[in-house]
Amino acid sequence: EAEVAQSPRYKITEKSQAVAFWCDPISGHATLYWYRQILGQGPELLVQFQDESVVDDSQLPKDRFSAERLKGVDSTLKIQPAELGDSAMYLCASSLNLLSYNEQFFGPGTRLTVL
Amino acid sequence: AQRVTQPEKLLSVFKGAPVELKCNYSYSGSPELFWYVQYSRQRLQLLLRHISRESIKGFTADLNKGETSFHLKKPFAQEEDSAMYYCALKGTGNQFYFGTGTSLTVIP
Repeated sequence: EAEVAQSPRYKITEKSQAVAFWCDPISGHATLYWYRQILGQGPELLVQFQDESVVDDSQLPKDRFSAERLKGVDSTLKIQPAELGDSAMYLCASSLNLLSYNEQFFGPGTRLTVL
Repeated sequence: AQRVTQPEKLLSVFKGAPVELKCNYSYSGSPELFWYVQYSRQRLQLLLRHISRESIKGFTADLNKGETSFHLKKPFAQEEDSAMYYCALKGTGNQFYFGTGTSLTVIP
């Protein structure tokens, strides 16, 4: 069964360093989402793509975060420089398209720890 | 402001007892609401969506616009229902808002 893939699964870094996370959505899914989930809270949407275009990045801290999906398939989320408060689980999800009835399929997440 | 509130962080019920997980939302338009579930060591996955008016694994949720609620219910809880449950709202601009989640434990 097709699944959303993410790597790495765990990342430990020191503050002020750069980190990058990778996501490979389910084949054929046009919409891709990046979420941040701080311990004890629900997922918070950071950015969503429709193919290679950003649909919404209003919650993305653009001074340090960037996301791209150059060919409309896999995607990279980068943080530079990382701060202590960035420690969280970063989740990627994909869906067929933006229509509501299309289910979002989530990846296993990347757990980031910033020291 | 668009917001989802799940007032209970933890909920414990006995096997066979009814269970209700509360969800309230804040949204000025016509809401689209979902329940997601995360079982231990598994990925977050969709449980049900209000637009489908479906029953999944015995769970149902009714949208009450007057009370701005979308509570999740099951008449007889099973041990395998123990999980983390998140209520989510699709707002304007295709933004998704998740609640803080409720951890359900079904006691054998």
